[in-house]
Amino acid sequence: DTEVTQTPKHLVMGMTNKKSLKCEQHMGHRAMYWYKQKAKKPPELMFVYSYEKLSINESVPSRFSPECPNSSLLNLHLHALQPEDSALYLCASSQAASGRYEQYFGPGTRLTVT
Amino acid sequence: QQQVKQSPQSLIVQKGGISIINCAYENTAFDYFPWYQQFPGKGPALLIAIRPDVSEKKEGRFTISFNKSAKQFSLHIMDSQPGDSATYFCAASSKDNFNKFYFGSGTKLNVKP
Repeated sequence: DTEVTQTPKHLVMGMTNKKSLKCEQHMGHRAMYWYKQKAKKPPELMFVYSYEKLSINESVPSRFSPECPNSSLLNLHLHALQPEDSALYLCASSQAASGRYEQYFGPGTRLTVT
Repeated sequence: QQQVKQSPQSLIVQKGGISIINCAYENTAFDYFPWYQQFPGKGPALLIAIRPDVSEKKEGRFTISFNKSAKQFSLHIMDSQPGDSATYFCAASSKDNFNKFYFGSGTKLNVKP
Protein backbone atom coordinates (compact mmCIF):
# COMPACT_ATOMS: atom_id res chain seq x y z
CA ASP A 1 0.00 0.00 0.00
CA THR A 2 1.50 3.30 -1.11
CA GLU A 3 -1.36 5.57 -0.13
CA VAL A 4 -1.06 9.07 1.21
CA THR A 5 -4.37 10.71 2.07
CA GLN A 6 -5.08 14.43 2.25
CA THR A 7 -8.04 16.41 3.54
CA PRO A 8 -9.86 18.45 2.49
CA LYS A 9 -9.86 17.92 -1.27
CA HIS A 10 -10.91 21.50 -1.88
CA LEU A 11 -10.66 24.59 0.31
CA VAL A 12 -11.78 28.14 -0.29
CA MET A 13 -10.68 30.67 2.28
CA GLY A 14 -10.58 34.40 2.71
CA MET A 15 -7.39 36.30 3.37
CA THR A 16 -8.25 36.71 7.07
CA ASN A 17 -9.17 33.07 7.70
CA LYS A 18 -7.23 30.39 9.54
CA LYS A 19 -7.44 26.88 8.15
CA SER A 20 -5.43 23.67 8.22
CA LEU A 21 -4.55 21.02 5.68
CA LYS A 22 -4.08 17.45 6.85
CA CYS A 23 -2.06 14.56 5.54
CA GLU A 24 -1.79 10.96 6.70
CA GLN A 25 0.23 7.91 5.71
CA HIS A 26 0.44 4.41 7.15
CA MET A 27 3.44 3.08 5.23
CA GLY A 28 5.81 3.48 8.17
CA HIS A 29 7.60 6.30 6.37
CA ARG A 30 9.55 8.64 8.60
CA ALA A 31 9.91 11.55 6.17
CA MET A 32 6.95 13.71 5.15
CA TYR A 33 6.80 16.64 2.79
CA TRP A 34 4.67 19.61 1.80
CA TYR A 35 4.81 20.81 -1.78
CA LYS A 36 3.03 23.64 -3.56
CA GLN A 37 2.11 23.23 -7.21
CA LYS A 38 0.87 25.97 -9.51
CA ALA A 39 -0.84 25.17 -12.78
CA LYS A 40 1.45 23.74 -15.47
CA LYS A 41 4.45 23.82 -13.10
CA PRO A 42 6.34 21.10 -11.23
CA PRO A 43 5.83 20.62 -7.50
CA GLU A 44 7.79 23.10 -5.41
CA LEU A 45 9.18 21.87 -2.10
CA MET A 46 8.05 23.80 0.98
CA PHE A 47 8.90 21.72 4.06
CA VAL A 48 10.40 18.36 4.98
CA TYR A 49 9.96 16.55 8.28
CA SER A 50 12.30 13.72 9.09
CA TYR A 51 11.56 11.67 12.21
CA GLU A 52 9.02 14.31 13.23
CA LYS A 53 11.61 17.09 13.14
CA LEU A 54 11.63 19.89 10.60
CA SER A 55 14.68 19.26 8.43
CA ILE A 56 14.06 21.49 5.40
CA ASN A 57 12.25 24.83 5.21
CA GLU A 58 12.56 26.31 1.76
CA SER A 59 12.24 29.91 2.99
CA VAL A 60 8.47 29.66 3.04
CA PRO A 61 6.54 32.73 4.34
CA SER A 62 5.47 32.47 7.97
CA ARG A 63 1.79 32.49 6.98
CA PHE A 64 2.40 28.78 6.30
CA SER A 65 3.10 26.83 9.49
CA PRO A 66 3.81 23.10 9.35
CA GLU A 67 3.28 20.64 12.17
CA CYS A 68 4.11 16.95 12.52
CA PRO A 69 2.17 15.57 15.52
CA ASN A 70 3.43 12.02 14.97
CA SER A 71 5.11 9.84 12.39
CA SER A 72 1.87 9.30 10.43
CA LEU A 73 0.40 12.78 10.40
CA LEU A 74 1.40 16.09 8.87
CA ASN A 75 -0.50 19.35 9.06
CA LEU A 76 -0.12 22.67 7.31
CA HIS A 77 -1.65 25.61 9.14
CA LEU A 78 -2.66 28.55 7.00
CA HIS A 79 -3.20 32.12 8.16
CA ALA A 80 -3.54 35.46 6.38
CA LEU A 81 -2.90 33.98 2.96
CA GLN A 82 -2.71 35.97 -0.25
CA PRO A 83 -4.53 35.24 -3.52
CA GLU A 84 -1.21 34.19 -5.08
CA ASP A 85 -1.10 31.34 -2.55
CA SER A 86 -3.92 29.65 -4.45
CA ALA A 87 -2.49 26.35 -5.69
CA LEU A 88 -2.58 22.58 -5.32
CA TYR A 89 -0.92 21.61 -2.03
CA LEU A 90 0.63 18.18 -2.10
CA CYS A 91 1.78 16.00 0.72
CA ALA A 92 4.33 13.24 0.16
CA SER A 93 6.13 10.66 2.23
CA SER A 94 9.24 8.50 1.94
CA GLN A 95 11.62 6.34 3.91
CA ALA A 96 13.95 8.69 5.78
CA ALA A 97 17.02 6.78 4.71
CA SER A 98 19.69 7.25 2.11
CA GLY A 99 19.19 4.72 -0.67
CA ARG A 100 15.42 4.71 -0.18
CA TYR A 101 14.50 7.81 -2.12
CA GLU A 102 11.00 7.04 -3.42
CA GLN A 103 8.49 9.75 -2.61
CA TYR A 104 4.78 8.94 -2.70
CA PHE A 105 2.37 11.80 -3.20
CA GLY A 106 -1.16 12.29 -1.97
CA PRO A 107 -3.98 13.57 -4.19
CA GLY A 108 -3.54 17.14 -3.02
CA THR A 109 -5.74 19.89 -1.62
CA ARG A 110 -6.91 22.48 -4.13
CA LEU A 111 -6.70 25.79 -2.25
CA THR A 112 -8.37 28.97 -3.45
CA VAL A 113 -7.72 32.21 -1.56
CA THR A 114 -10.32 34.92 -2.16
CA GLN B 1 19.42 27.86 -12.20
CA GLN B 2 17.36 24.90 -13.32
CA GLN B 3 19.06 21.69 -12.18
CA VAL B 4 17.07 19.39 -14.47
CA LYS B 5 16.01 20.43 -17.95
CA GLN B 6 13.10 18.60 -19.56
CA SER B 7 11.90 18.55 -23.15
CA PRO B 8 9.65 18.77 -25.01
CA GLN B 9 7.14 20.96 -23.18
CA SER B 10 4.29 19.20 -24.98
CA LEU B 11 4.00 16.12 -27.13
CA ILE B 12 1.29 14.72 -29.39
CA VAL B 13 1.50 11.04 -30.32
CA GLN B 14 -0.85 8.76 -32.20
CA LYS B 15 -2.27 5.74 -30.42
CA GLY B 16 0.18 2.87 -30.68
CA GLY B 17 3.16 5.15 -31.22
CA ILE B 18 6.23 5.70 -29.05
CA SER B 19 6.36 8.72 -26.75
CA ILE B 20 9.83 9.96 -25.84
CA ILE B 21 10.55 12.57 -23.17
CA ASN B 22 14.07 13.74 -22.42
CA CYS B 23 15.80 15.17 -19.37
CA ALA B 24 19.30 16.50 -18.83
CA TYR B 25 21.17 17.37 -15.65
CA GLU B 26 24.45 18.98 -14.66
CA ASN B 27 25.05 17.83 -11.09
CA THR B 28 27.13 14.64 -11.22
CA ALA B 29 26.22 13.95 -7.59
CA PHE B 30 22.69 13.02 -8.64
CA ASP B 31 22.18 9.29 -8.22
CA TYR B 32 18.43 8.76 -8.36
CA PHE B 33 16.21 9.63 -11.33
CA PRO B 34 12.44 9.07 -11.01
CA TRP B 35 9.65 9.78 -13.44
CA TYR B 36 6.23 10.89 -12.24
CA GLN B 37 2.90 10.82 -14.07
CA GLN B 38 0.26 13.36 -13.13
CA PHE B 39 -3.35 13.49 -14.29
CA PRO B 40 -5.30 16.78 -14.00
CA GLY B 41 -6.40 17.47 -10.45
CA LYS B 42 -4.42 14.53 -9.04
CA GLY B 43 -1.12 14.14 -7.26
CA PRO B 44 1.97 12.90 -9.12
CA ALA B 45 2.34 9.13 -9.17
CA LEU B 46 5.74 7.46 -9.20
CA LEU B 47 6.01 5.68 -12.54
CA ILE B 48 9.53 4.31 -12.75
CA ALA B 49 12.98 5.25 -11.44
CA ILE B 50 16.59 4.45 -12.25
CA ARG B 51 20.01 4.60 -10.60
CA PRO B 52 23.15 5.46 -12.60
CA ASP B 53 24.60 1.96 -12.28
CA VAL B 54 22.29 0.71 -15.06
CA SER B 55 21.68 2.10 -18.54
CA GLU B 56 18.11 0.97 -18.95
CA LYS B 57 15.14 -0.06 -16.84
CA LYS B 58 11.87 -1.39 -18.18
CA GLU B 59 8.51 -1.77 -16.48
CA GLY B 60 5.74 -2.84 -18.82
CA ARG B 61 5.40 -0.28 -21.60
CA PHE B 62 7.59 2.25 -19.77
CA THR B 63 11.39 2.31 -20.20
CA ILE B 64 13.99 4.67 -18.80
CA SER B 65 17.19 5.02 -20.80
CA PHE B 66 20.14 6.52 -18.93
CA ASN B 67 23.32 7.97 -20.42
CA LYS B 68 25.71 8.80 -17.60
CA SER B 69 28.45 10.31 -19.77
CA ALA B 70 25.97 12.64 -21.48
CA LYS B 71 24.13 13.34 -18.21
CA GLN B 72 20.83 12.59 -19.87
CA PHE B 73 17.94 10.26 -19.24
CA SER B 74 14.73 9.67 -21.09
CA LEU B 75 11.33 8.05 -20.73
CA HIS B 76 10.00 5.91 -23.54
CA ILE B 77 6.34 4.92 -23.58
CA MET B 78 5.78 2.08 -26.02
CA ASP B 79 2.39 1.44 -27.66
CA SER B 80 1.11 4.76 -26.28
CA GLN B 81 -2.58 4.78 -25.30
CA PRO B 82 -5.07 7.62 -24.83
CA GLY B 83 -5.07 6.74 -21.13
CA ASP B 84 -1.39 7.73 -21.02
CA SER B 85 -2.37 11.34 -21.73
CA ALA B 86 -1.02 13.19 -18.70
CA THR B 87 1.82 15.44 -17.60
CA TYR B 88 5.13 13.72 -16.97
CA PHE B 89 7.85 15.07 -14.68
CA CYS B 90 11.40 13.83 -14.43
CA ALA B 91 13.36 14.47 -11.25
CA ALA B 92 16.75 13.91 -9.69
CA SER B 93 18.23 13.73 -6.23
CA SER B 94 21.49 12.81 -4.56
CA LYS B 95 22.43 10.66 -1.56
CA ASP B 96 23.75 13.71 0.28
CA ASN B 97 20.38 15.45 0.03
CA PHE B 98 18.01 12.64 -0.82
CA ASN B 99 14.94 14.40 0.55
CA LYS B 100 15.21 17.17 -2.03
CA PHE B 101 14.00 16.38 -5.52
CA TYR B 102 14.88 18.62 -8.43
CA PHE B 103 12.00 18.40 -10.88
CA GLY B 104 12.01 19.04 -14.60
CA SER B 105 9.50 21.53 -15.96
CA GLY B 106 7.10 18.84 -17.16
CA THR B 107 5.84 17.45 -20.47
CA LYS B 108 2.19 17.37 -21.35
CA LEU B 109 1.52 14.26 -23.41
CA ASN B 110 -1.57 13.92 -25.57
CA VAL B 111 -2.14 10.53 -27.17
CA LYS B 112 -4.62 10.81 -30.03
CA PRO B 113 -6.97 7.84 -30.61
